[in-house]
Amino acid sequence: AQTVTQSQPEMSVQEAETVTLSCTYDTSESNYYLFWYKQPPSRQMILVIRQEAYKQQNATENRFSVNFQKAAKSFSLKISDSQLGDTAMYFCAFMKHGDAGNMLTFGGGTRLMVKP
Amino acid sequence: GAVVSQHPSRVICKSGTSVKIECRSLDFQATTMFWYRQFPKQSLMLMATSNEGSKATYEQGVEKDKFLINHASLTLSTLTVTSAHPEDSSFYICSASRDTNYEQYFGPGTRLTVT
Repeated sequence: AQTVTQSQPEMSVQEAETVTLSCTYDTSESNYYLFWYKQPPSRQMILVIRQEAYKQQNATENRFSVNFQKAAKSFSLKISDSQLGDTAMYFCAFMKHGDAGNMLTFGGGTRLMVKP
Repeated sequence: GAVVSQHPSRVICKSGTSVKIECRSLDFQATTMFWYRQFPKQSLMLMATSNEGSKATYEQGVEKDKFLINHASLTLSTLTVTSAHPEDSSFYICSASRDTNYEQYFGPGTRLTVT
């Protein structure tokens, strides 16, 4: 079974600054996907970024980027130029490649507060 | 594309009654749908996975007779909470995926309050 750990229950950052959210996972699989989801106060889950484990290049989506360290089983999310709208819960998630039904395993979440 | 809706968004029911929550994929065919439960300030907990036309697969500790899941078509799955109790009060989220890729698309959630 896979486990996903987010060691920072809460974080805060000043608007326009950069913040990094940590995520580690444990798996014996060699081929898998990793995701970061955002859940704002509306509680709608929004996909922020995804990474295929076979790709060495770190994924980037505008202000969001990841630092994927496969050997260390680490998948951190960096948010640059933080905006007030980034205030939300952030969940790291794991999906085994080829898994029947594409099941996600979520971490416990990090609550991010962006301060003006 | 890839929009998932849930209905209702909020529901209040009395203890002992049953309540049905619908999850629809609006613009794609969902071969698999998932039901999650989320308590305040906690992560999403997978309750069950359902494939169209077959029985749902429930996670350990989830009572299948209490949480009835039906995936009757490629665009609709329903979760029925039977004989609801106050401890069933929670936020229920569905998601859907399609064969062509590995993403899950999430619905907006349903807040259930049992009085």
